[in-house]
Amino acid sequence: EAGVTQSPTHLIKTRGQQATLRCSPISGHTSVYWYQQALGLGLQFLLWYDEGEERNRGNFPPRFSGRQFPNYSSELNVNALELEDSALYLCASSLDSNQPQHFGDGTRLSIL
Amino acid sequence: GDSVTQMEGPVTLSEEAFLTINCTYTATGYPSLFWYVQYPGEGLQLLLKATKADDKGSNKGFEATYRKETTSFHLEKGSVQVSDSAVYFCAFYTGRRALTFGSGTRLQVQP
Repeated sequence: EAGVTQSPTHLIKTRGQQATLRCSPISGHTSVYWYQQALGLGLQFLLWYDEGEERNRGNFPPRFSGRQFPNYSSELNVNALELEDSALYLCASSLDSNQPQHFGDGTRLSIL
Repeated sequence: GDSVTQMEGPVTLSEEAFLTINCTYTATGYPSLFWYVQYPGEGLQLLLKATKADDKGSNKGFEATYRKETTSFHLEKGSVQVSDSAVYFCAFYTGRRALTFGSGTRLQVQP
């Protein structure tokens, strides 16, 4: 069974640009989650999508947004990039509530 | 608020030594508890889980028991290997499917 896949592996942008990160969940999983792992800040919950709707949002500004497509894949968009957005962005998926989340290998976003 | 406290790392052990990584949590109610492991350059892998008090999760020689009275979920392994070198994260579900993670504990196992 294929795991959670994320693309691209690395992304380099400059301040003020926009970044788009993509995630494909494990087959059969309808929920997708996004986390940010920034140096010194640890792992922080960003967003949860289920059945195409945003269900929960962490403490991040509105320039962090995303969507989930009918095939349950997801995009994370970060607008007006700032230096502190440099981080590893992890996507996870799960089957339903109380089931563990399974993570991809992440997209490393570097802001120059 | 909800939080997870893990012991500071790095933890450096010799091969075949006994491992304990402490984890305590502050949460409303009795959440499901997890240990995840992150190898260099990779994402998180689920190591084990426990969903209710006194449950023991186990996998690959690692164990952790959900202790409601002490709000703890300490990770143990009887004999570590060099291949266990990684960062270990304790986590639990807060409301609405958000995982709250500890800061992570780096384990270095020397041959």
